Amino acid sequence: DAKTTQPNSMESNEEEPVHLPCNHSTISGTDYIHWYRQLPSQGPEYVIHGLTSNVNNRMASLAIAEDRKSSTLILHRATLRDAAVYYCILTARIQGAQKLVFGQGTRLTINP
Amino acid sequence: KAGVTQTPRYLIKTRGQQVTLSCSPISGHRSVSWYQQTPGQGLQFLFEYFSETQRNKGNFPGRFSGRQFSNSRSEMNVSTLELGDSALYLCASSYHRTDYEQYFGPGTRLTVT
Repeated sequence: DAKTTQPNSMESNEEEPVHLPCNHSTISGTDYIHWYRQLPSQGPEYVIHGLTSNVNNRMASLAIAEDRKSSTLILHRATLRDAAVYYCILTARIQGAQKLVFGQGTRLTINP
Repeated sequence: KAGVTQTPRYLIKTRGQQVTLSCSPISGHRSVSWYQQTPGQGLQFLFEYFSETQRNKGNFPGRFSGRQFSNSRSEMNVSTLELGDSALYLCASSYHRTDYEQYFGPGTRLTVT
């Protein structure tokens, strides 16, 4: 399974944008980029996924580098509820997302 | 639509015992995956079931097993419990194996003493 590298922790202020980086230099052409987050005392929650193009949904945006060796999860206006551990995960396209290989993730702290 | 439910939510067992954890996926979902979360190892994939068959397995000893029933409900069993099995066990479901979004339950917190 291809590896991802994320900062251990990040801090931001409420109502400001947050950019969470992820490096995946060994990504293959068939790997999707997934982001999940885990709020305190809860199971992980799907945030967004993409393959090559930038993606937007109601929760966040995903910006994927042209060479696909890195990506950035963007929370446009952070709230206190966004404080969580964010995981960047690669999944083989042929497998779907049935085997998620979690790294250590980035612990995001939001200051009021 | 109800989310993924896991029972029990908390469990205390003694070394050497065995334990069975249950997961009910979201109605209509047919794929169920199990994960173990510990402070040291993080979230690790255990196995995945679809149509009552194990489709994928992580690197865990044979003491960890599971099954899936015709109604897609799943159970996982851990035999001969060890202290290191203390963890949060999470279940996730999706409609089909090729879906790109999994829905996680709240987990079962197992403590082995």
